[in-house]
Amino acid sequence: EVQLVETGGGLVQPGRSLKLSCVASGFTFNNYWMSWTRQAPGKGLEWVASITNSGGSTYYPDSVKGRFTISRDNAQNTLYLQMNSLRSEDTATYYCTRWERAPHYWGQGVMVTVSS
Amino acid sequence: DIQMTQSPSVLSASVGDRVTLNCKASQNINKYLNWYQQKLGEAPKLLIYNTNNLQTGIPSRFSGSGSGTDFTLTISSLQPEDFATYFCFQHNSWPDTFGAGTKLELK
Repeated sequence: EVQLVETGGGLVQPGRSLKLSCVASGFTFNNYWMSWTRQAPGKGLEWVASITNSGGSTYYPDSVKGRFTISRDNAQNTLYLQMNSLRSEDTATYYCTRWERAPHYWGQGVMVTVSS
Repeated sequence: DIQMTQSPSVLSASVGDRVTLNCKASQNINKYLNWYQQKLGEAPKLLIYNTNNLQTGIPSRFSGSGSGTDFTLTISSLQPEDFATYFCFQHNSWPDTFGAGTKLELK
């Protein structure tokens, strides 16, 4: 069974940094692209970042490009999202997803609140 | 960016009804359209990928159709567990984008 478990969320002040982690199990991690998708409270979904299975290439929308960095450790079956220069509009639940041209499997999500 | 417009935003229906949810892309996305179901407090779940392919484990009362810019999700006979919010998602062109969702509520 595919399992994705996110950790690292919390309350952070604007301009500060936070790093999310996602531990994967139930599949061969280094065979799949992985991604982060977020959902602001009561709002829709927004793709945030993707990374190839080797980690050699990454992709971001303009809204987070230059501030967020996705990475992975295939030896530890772990995906990361380093979030810098956080803004109030980054407040959301962040989901780790297994990516097959699109999110196929989702974690339960972790909440990030950016507020002073 | 490709804009995805879902209609209606809210749909009221009864158990046993046949319902159709719509999703329109601002430009051609070929077949690269997925549908997700999200229940309150839960993560989204993939229902349909690439317009009309049923994800493993999803009941056959769910089906998808369309091409180009216009797509539909049909639930042939609503069950109590189907009342949720449904999102469409295009993965034809970066950045991949979601629709705003259709909330399916009990009439």
